[in-house]
Amino acid sequence: AQSVAQPEDQVNVAEGNPLTVKCTYSVSGNPYLFWYVQYPNRGLQFLLKYITGDNLVKGSYGFEAEFNKSQTSFHLKKPSALVSDSALYFCAVRDGASGGSYIPTFGRGTSLIVHP
Amino acid sequence: DTAVSQTPKYLVTQMGNDKSIKCEQNLGHDTMYWYKQDSKKFLKIMFSYNNKELIINETVPNRFSPKSPDKAHLNLHINSLELGDSAVYFCASSQDGLGGRTEAFFGQGTRLTVV
Repeated sequence: AQSVAQPEDQVNVAEGNPLTVKCTYSVSGNPYLFWYVQYPNRGLQFLLKYITGDNLVKGSYGFEAEFNKSQTSFHLKKPSALVSDSALYFCAVRDGASGGSYIPTFGRGTSLIVHP
Repeated sequence: DTAVSQTPKYLVTQMGNDKSIKCEQNLGHDTMYWYKQDSKKFLKIMFSYNNKELIINETVPNRFSPKSPDKAHLNLHINSLELGDSAVYFCASSQDGLGGRTEAFFGQGTRLTVV
């Protein structure tokens, strides 16, 4: 079985400050991890993913995420937040174990608010 | 040249009606999905379909049915609409030849309001 948790409903950060949006997961095999962003009244857009290889993954709009196997985490980060980063962020996981579903499970979303 | 397009964008209808939402993708992907996003923004998978297999979330009422005339289209048909069906419905697609390692591309969503 696969599951994902985003422990924060909302994250507030001042423009120019670093931001972190947290995600933890549970799978029986190797995890395939994804981050998506949803702007108001829009569909989800892919930001980045971890499948294998380097633990630090870089994605769109200056975002990056670090895969930490021991902590089963995949937190999304950005060194300097912009007001335009304000949106809803979803973490998703798929269990790479043999026989696992190819359909990812999405977290409940974290609303990021960047204050000017 | 929209990758995943769904129509209509807004749909207001009365209880008991039957309605369809259309979805088309021009990415050549093998797999298409329907998701429901409720008022709390929770995203729930409803269906996943490729040319070989339909996977249905068992919690989805059988009033909802996917219909795929070809690989590029996955329409959502809803019978006997209820107030609780009001939500935003998203179509998505992905190329899953690598076994689910690929990201999904989402449509803009259809906001369904049942009155």
